[in-house]
Amino acid sequence: QVQLRQSGPGLVKPSQTLSLTCAISGDSISSNSAAWNWIRQSPSRGLEWLGRTYYSSKWYNDYAVSVRGRITINPDTPKSQFSLQLSSVTPEDTAVYYCAGAAMEDFYGLGVWGQGTTVTVSS
Amino acid sequence: QSVLTQPPSVSGAPGQRVTISCTGSGSNIGAGFDVHWYQQLPGTAPKLLIYANDNRPSGVPDRFSGSKSGTSASLAITGLQAEDEADYYCQSYDNSLSGYVFGTGTKVTVL
Repeated sequence: QVQLRQSGPGLVKPSQTLSLTCAISGDSISSNSAAWNWIRQSPSRGLEWLGRTYYSSKWYNDYAVSVRGRITINPDTPKSQFSLQLSSVTPEDTAVYYCAGAAMEDFYGLGVWGQGTTVTVSS
Repeated sequence: QSVLTQPPSVSGAPGQRVTISCTGSGSNIGAGFDVHWYQQLPGTAPKLLIYANDNRPSGVPDRFSGSKSGTSASLAITGLQAEDEADYYCQSYDNSLSGYVFGTGTKVTVL
């Protein structure tokens, strides 16, 4: 059974970089049949997909237009985890952040989720 | 922000049938991309309820069903139960945005 465990700070200052990590157990991050995603949720923006990383002979990333240029998702194969970095944050980036895994067997529906991390952007 | 539109709320008595619509466009649902549905209970992460339009993951009761037609999709809950009171979201891919999009969300209330 795949499980995701998130870690990272809950408070980030404006203009700084938000950094979160998602540790995977029960599956390989390098699986050719899975993609690893970051999603956030706020009252003003609802659920918002931020991006994903996946392995298919090499590593690929896809990012949402809304955060492109500020976002980086990196896989860490030895530790079986992946990370989110969002730079130049503003109060608009305050949200609950989730990592989620999508499997080919579910046609890449987000079948497993982390517990969520509430991130507040404030000085 | 959301390009998939859902009704803000639906309600029904226990045992009744309710449906939730998810209206998109030709760049997402209408382009043939799969629709997934999620259930979110208060204070928890969303849970995959229906994948690829009309498929239930293991463990999801058959009271939940999905369908898709044209630029829209629907989630139906038959035999409504108190435990079904939650927020429900649709999700698909949008090729004009080159990314995944979620619906606006629907709160289901069991009367």
